[in-house]
Amino acid sequence: DTAVSQTPKYLVTQMGNDKSIKCEQNLGHDTMYWYKQDSKKFLKIMFSYNNKELIINETVPNRFSPKSPDKAHLNLHINSLELGDSAVYFCASSLGGSWGGPRETQYFGPGTRLLVL
Amino acid sequence: RKEVEQDPGPFNVPEGATVAFNCTYSNSASQSFFWYRQDCRKEPKLLMSVYSSGNEDGRFTAQLNRASQYISLLIRDSKLSDSATYLCVVVRASGTYKYIFGTGTRLKVLA
Repeated sequence: DTAVSQTPKYLVTQMGNDKSIKCEQNLGHDTMYWYKQDSKKFLKIMFSYNNKELIINETVPNRFSPKSPDKAHLNLHINSLELGDSAVYFCASSLGGSWGGPRETQYFGPGTRLLVL
Repeated sequence: RKEVEQDPGPFNVPEGATVAFNCTYSNSASQSFFWYRQDCRKEPKLLMSVYSSGNEDGRFTAQLNRASQYISLLIRDSKLSDSATYLCVVVRASGTYKYIFGTGTRLKVLA
């Protein structure tokens, strides 16, 4: 059973298009995250939701809009895609009760490789 | 200067060797620390948490030095399957808890 799943695995698209990535976790966790890993392999938090409430919103262009329909799902919609958006996007989840604690383990999905041409 | 720094490597070591990685962090208020492992084109996976007293899990030993603000990972008797990128994670509290990743250290274990 896949704990954290993402779709699609690969996404190739043209500049200016709008695309969405979906994430689902079946771990019963309260907190979910989106990370971006760039070409230099640097992994950086973008957003986090706890039980459908946005709790982390890093300095990310407002072309990126997360949405959490329920605590098991966190989607990421990207408008007007740019070349610099090409990266691997990882979804993650953690137990996160009462916004979790510093020792919580995060479990990552397999990633979505986005290439903007 | 990045908040969490690692030597990117690659570290090329023969099978059976002992190898050590260091990771330095700049925020003295950092709460907790982890090592994650990331295989090529895969997601990061937890390797081990790092506790103040140091902790060991089989061939892996992690140490934390709060005074000098670094953590270390020691791998003994390296296996080919240890080849991966090792990511240092520092947890910072700023309203909520954030994982701050280092850029990773790449290890290649050679036959």
